Amino acid sequence: AQSVTQPDARVTVSEGASLQLRCKYSYSGTPYLFWYVQYPRQGLQLLLKYYSGDPVVQGVNGFEAEFSKSNSSFHLRKASVHWSDSAVYFCVLSSNNYAQGLTFGLGTRVSVFP
Amino acid sequence: GGIITQTPKFLIGQEGQKLTLKCQQNFNHDTMYWYRQDSGKGLRLIYYSITENDLQKGDLSEGYDASREKKSSFSLTVTSAQKNEMAVFLCASSAGTGGPETLYFGSGTRLTVL
Repeated sequence: AQSVTQPDARVTVSEGASLQLRCKYSYSGTPYLFWYVQYPRQGLQLLLKYYSGDPVVQGVNGFEAEFSKSNSSFHLRKASVHWSDSAVYFCVLSSNNYAQGLTFGLGTRVSVFP
Repeated sequence: GGIITQTPKFLIGQEGQKLTLKCQQNFNHDTMYWYRQDSGKGLRLIYYSITENDLQKGDLSEGYDASREKKSSFSLTVTSAQKNEMAVFLCASSAGTGGPETLYFGSGTRLTVL
């Protein structure tokens, strides 16, 4: 069985501050990991993905994530947030066999205050 | 680029009613998906389809039917709406037919059952 845990349901941060969103996964095979963002009243959009190679992956809008096999983690970071980063962020795990499906975390709601 | 269009954006139904949600994509993607998003429960897969006229059940298929009569469209039917049900239904598509892929989402249909 595979699972994704996002331990923080809500995060509040001031504009210009740094942001880290945590993601822990459980999967016995090779994980393929994604971060998606959902802005209010919209669908999910891909921020970045990790398949293999360099454990630090760059995404859109200044986001990056770091994969750690030893910690079973895929944390998302941004050095300086803007009010427009207020959204819900989902960590997603995929196996290499679609029959096992995608596993979504419950999401972390980020609120950026001026 | 492409777009996924979901109709209607808002759907209000009565208990026991049969309700149909529609999704169109112009990416020319092979695979399409229906997810249900409930507050606090993340996204759960209802049905997916890897090609025209193909249907595969997800974890939450009971109480739903789906139809993929054309490559570009995928519809979902709630066979009997449950009283006080509230959820967002998200349609998505991806290019291939298996493995880890980026999903592209529509902006959702918000269902309320009175």
